[in-house]
Amino acid sequence: KNEVEQSPQNLTAQEGEFITINCSYSVGISALHWLQQHPGGGIVSLFMLSSGKKKHGRLIATINIQEKHSSLHITASHPRDSAVYICAVSAGGAQKLVFGQGTRLTINP
Amino acid sequence: SAVISQKPSRDICQRGTSLTIQCQVDSQVTMMFWYRQQPGQSLTLIATANQGSEATYESGFVIDKFPISRPNLTFSTLTVSNMSPEDSSIYLCSVSAGGEQYFGPGTRLTVT
Repeated sequence: KNEVEQSPQNLTAQEGEFITINCSYSVGISALHWLQQHPGGGIVSLFMLSSGKKKHGRLIATINIQEKHSSLHITASHPRDSAVYICAVSAGGAQKLVFGQGTRLTINP
Repeated sequence: SAVISQKPSRDICQRGTSLTIQCQVDSQVTMMFWYRQQPGQSLTLIATANQGSEATYESGFVIDKFPISRPNLTFSTLTVSNMSPEDSSIYLCSVSAGGEQYFGPGTRLTVT
């Protein structure tokens, strides 16, 4: 069993829909990261969370430390949101990350 | 923040040869990380490169196959040695700055 599990692995939706991607982890963490990878391969950090909730534009990330679970939400989804979304965790004082397998999101116009 | 550049952006290499990938950061960082992303897979950490000391390799990765240099606080290289088709992947370097993670654009390697 992977230390970081994401669901779903693939998600296709229509423009405007509300999107939720889930991440569960089995280890103690110091922070959880949500990353976005576009088809060209570049990776951008969306959020870093250690507790609670963060919002940036149409993106919202939440984390429940007790349940070891995080969600990434996209409101009013748009085709440009199509990408792979990756959950990753860092543990203790380590800066290195352990990655989930990613969720491939496709938003159709 | 940190801006990371990598060279080359992509290459096609013959089996048995070696390729050195360069990673340049626009600010000084203590640790640099090298990741591999095999086709259709997520990222896997190869090693952590610290300036002035030997790199720390993750299970399944060895120095003879993936030698790393870290001559200063803004630069590192990863060499993929004696390549086989199984080494075809995207290789990314990454740093942590201010608690945030920053990634290079990646080097897409194809081994024929």
